[in-house]
Amino acid sequence: AQKVTQAQTEISVVEKEDVTLDCVYETRDTTYYLFWYKQPPSGELVFLIRRNSFDEQNEISGRYSWNFQKSTSSFNFTITASQVVDSAVYFCALSERTTDSWGKLQFGAGTQVVVTP
Amino acid sequence: NAGVTQTPKFQVLKTGQSMTLQCAQDMNHEYMSWYRQDPGMGLRLIHYSVGAGITDQGEVPNGYNVSRSTTEDFPLRLLSAAPSQTSVYFCASSPGVNNEQFFGPGTRLTVL
Repeated sequence: AQKVTQAQTEISVVEKEDVTLDCVYETRDTTYYLFWYKQPPSGELVFLIRRNSFDEQNEISGRYSWNFQKSTSSFNFTITASQVVDSAVYFCALSERTTDSWGKLQFGAGTQVVVTP
Repeated sequence: NAGVTQTPKFQVLKTGQSMTLQCAQDMNHEYMSWYRQDPGMGLRLIHYSVGAGITDQGEVPNGYNVSRSTTEDFPLRLLSAAPSQTSVYFCASSPGVNNEQFFGPGTRLTVL
């Protein structure tokens, strides 16, 4: 069963618009970790953020911000004032502590963000 | 530090051939893993290792073997290549299971 759902396959915006990427996860664990990775057109995977389940504080890093809500099992990612360099595929991922899932990072299908000038 | 290196970058195989994808890291990370990336499916875990001599299966292990004789190296073996194994393969390493993973540049494999 898919444990990380990124319902948006592709989002297209014009430069300077804000864009929010949704991530919904499923777990029975009380301790887990959530991640976002970026994959630009060049293909490499770039780590953006890690959040543990006990820290629900929202985080801001430059134009990037993350909204973690345990009540809705969501870990959404917002790019403010998007730029062409933000064009990439963005992946949300979950790491659980259950016996069956321990050691396994589970990725969502990814959201393609296209920013046009 | 070179980080995580993967060889080759591109490979074309015929159905039934075997080959080994190489992965090495110089960060002394205990955790290493292999993923395959297919369009619309994100990254799926093939095998992982939490230390030298310890490996385990991920989500899609069939048709692949791994071993971890040293901390640095984690090769992925395709036993008898099939067209369904056409994919981009990423190796990653991490200080621990729940830490940030560092990814290699990927290997694009085509099986004809």
